[in-house]
Amino acid sequence: GAVVSQHPSRVICKSGTSVKIECRSLDFQATTMFWYRQFPKQSLMLMATSNEGSKATYEQGVEKDKFLINHASLTLSTLTVTSAHPEDSSFYICSASKTGNTIYFGEGSWLTVV
Amino acid sequence: AQSVTQLGSHVSVSEGALVLLRCNYSSSVPPYLFWYVQYPNQGLQLLLKYTTGATLVKGINGFEAEFKKSETSFHLTKPSAHMSDAAEYFCAVSPFGNEKLTFGTGTRLTIIP
Repeated sequence: GAVVSQHPSRVICKSGTSVKIECRSLDFQATTMFWYRQFPKQSLMLMATSNEGSKATYEQGVEKDKFLINHASLTLSTLTVTSAHPEDSSFYICSASKTGNTIYFGEGSWLTVV
Repeated sequence: AQSVTQLGSHVSVSEGALVLLRCNYSSSVPPYLFWYVQYPNQGLQLLLKYTTGATLVKGINGFEAEFKKSETSFHLTKPSAHMSDAAEYFCAVSPFGNEKLTFGTGTRLTIIP
């Protein structure tokens, strides 16, 4: 079964509003989680590294004030897309590493901004 | 720094034929290599991974990949394609196996009946 869960799987929001996506590790503690974005028919690009109890580390070109990441507990990281615009419409997916060098991905979240 | 190159954004094979998806990597440290599959409108599923040891790695659904250091390659193969194999396949590299992944651009596999 899934060990990393994302919610919601699909969300539609109006332009200018904010939307939060949750990533949970179900049966293990994850001090580090990763957030990726995938535009239609493109590859996955790392957005940021979410660190429990500290600030996230963003990749070059990713606006930290637009994509707020909070990793308040060892099993939950959240990605908030603030003031969303249609160009933010994408597939967002998180991953977390369990011991033994195994990386698990969530099911992903489809965001559509209208 | 790491990078991944997947040759061929689209590959079509006949049902029952050999599947070969190519992946070359660049890494400044010994790499951990992965193949993921993504079915339409779904997340990523791990097919197989190479960490250390045996260079021929067997994964799920009959897929396997061979790590060739001299060629910096990690090509994915399956002896006989099945219709259910139609999906997008991503090769990825990680410097330590539990860190952030660098993905290739993906290869869309189409199976011809």
